[in-house]
Amino acid sequence: GENVEQHPSTLSVQEGDSAVIKCTYSDSASNYFPWYKQELGKGPQLIIDIRSNVGEKKDQRIAVTLNKTAKHFSLHITETQPEDSAVYFCAAEGEGYSTLTFGKGTMLLVSP
Amino acid sequence: DTEVTQTPKHLVMGMTNKKSLKCEQHMGHRAMYWYKQKAKKPPELMFVYSYEKLSINESVPSRFSPECPNSSLLNLHLHALQPEDSALYLCASSQTATVTGGEAFFGQGTRLTVV
Repeated sequence: GENVEQHPSTLSVQEGDSAVIKCTYSDSASNYFPWYKQELGKGPQLIIDIRSNVGEKKDQRIAVTLNKTAKHFSLHITETQPEDSAVYFCAAEGEGYSTLTFGKGTMLLVSP
Repeated sequence: DTEVTQTPKHLVMGMTNKKSLKCEQHMGHRAMYWYKQKAKKPPELMFVYSYEKLSINESVPSRFSPECPNSSLLNLHLHALQPEDSALYLCASSQTATVTGGEAFFGQGTRLTVV
């Protein structure tokens, strides 16, 4: 089955800096890669996603890049703000039905 | 409306109790999911319903019993749970459950504590 590795597990940045979180996946057949933000006590919120026919996607301060050959994808957050502090999960679409395999998560801390 | 609503938000139950978690969406999605999330861990898939039929059961103990009464509602019936079942239970939905993929939207979860 699909295996998703996510790094780093914790990331501390100063407000205004950029943050990058990286994920690798094992199943070359995977075609859909979402990123979720989870704040304390809340459910995961989809923030951006990318499909395998696209190499990069941007939405304001957030961007995701995908390298299908290397089987890795990354989340880039620019001009970080304290409210970006949360746990971020990458995921890849698994086999058969559209079920998601999640990475272990990255706790992002943005200091004012 | 991209909202998945879960009730209750918090639940404390004894090991002999029977309780139910409820999930509702009105996005016209035909796939609904239950996930379990322990602290500082990613969500783990429990069940998938596709067009109101159970399509995936990830070897979940029978003390968890899912039900999908219609395309908008998903229940999780709980009976004789153990303290280690304490977790955040998340419901999610997506347009379909096919391999073409699709955005999955999560509810806020039910924080379950078994005493």
